[in-house]
Amino acid sequence: DQQVKQNSPSLSVQEGRISILNCDYTNSMFDYFLWYKKYPAEGPTFLISISSIKDKNEDGRFTVFLNKSAKHLSLHIVPSQPGDSAVYFCAALMNRDDKIIFGKGTRLHILP
Amino acid sequence: DAGVTQSPTHLIKTRGQQVTLRCSPKSGHDTVSWYQQALGQGPQFIFQYYEEEERQRGNFPDRFSGHQFPNYSSELNVNALLLGDSALYLCASSLAETGSGNTIYFGEGSWLTVV
Repeated sequence: DQQVKQNSPSLSVQEGRISILNCDYTNSMFDYFLWYKKYPAEGPTFLISISSIKDKNEDGRFTVFLNKSAKHLSLHIVPSQPGDSAVYFCAALMNRDDKIIFGKGTRLHILP
Repeated sequence: DAGVTQSPTHLIKTRGQQVTLRCSPKSGHDTVSWYQQALGQGPQFIFQYYEEEERQRGNFPDRFSGHQFPNYSSELNVNALLLGDSALYLCASSLAETGSGNTIYFGEGSWLTVV
């Protein structure tokens, strides 16, 4: 049973527009939610995280929103750039537990 | 400062064989975790090593075993390989109990193909 779900396998967005990647989770015990970015032939790289006690975290062009009542989070990228084309993994973990639970990923294509 | 390094980057094995993958954690990190990423899937947690002991284990059979050395480097061993073991194997390093996940670093992975 998947605890972290990314229901969109792929997403195409025009360069300069907003990219919104969605994620749902089932375990209310998660303390942190993370987004990782992965290019082919590379390992996942940490992008941004949010504590379960927050509802928004912003870092430059990247903002993550958390809706605990809906068990839903989203990553907003604005403006989208060509280098943002990659696979994005939504992930979660519990406090002091370095085991990360990943979703299946969403492949983002930024169109020129 | 070297990040997480893994070897080999690619390898091909035959069903029934055994494989050993290696990982050197980022400098200063003492915890190593291994993940398996099958095609079209997200990484799945195999196990974690801290102070040379397996601290946590995911839902993987006993064919998957590991080791951590005094210098914190680690090995993942898979015995009696199956076709379904074909995947990207990722090593992640961290400092124990740092909590929020933003200090977990991944290597580039080892691509294993079982034929």
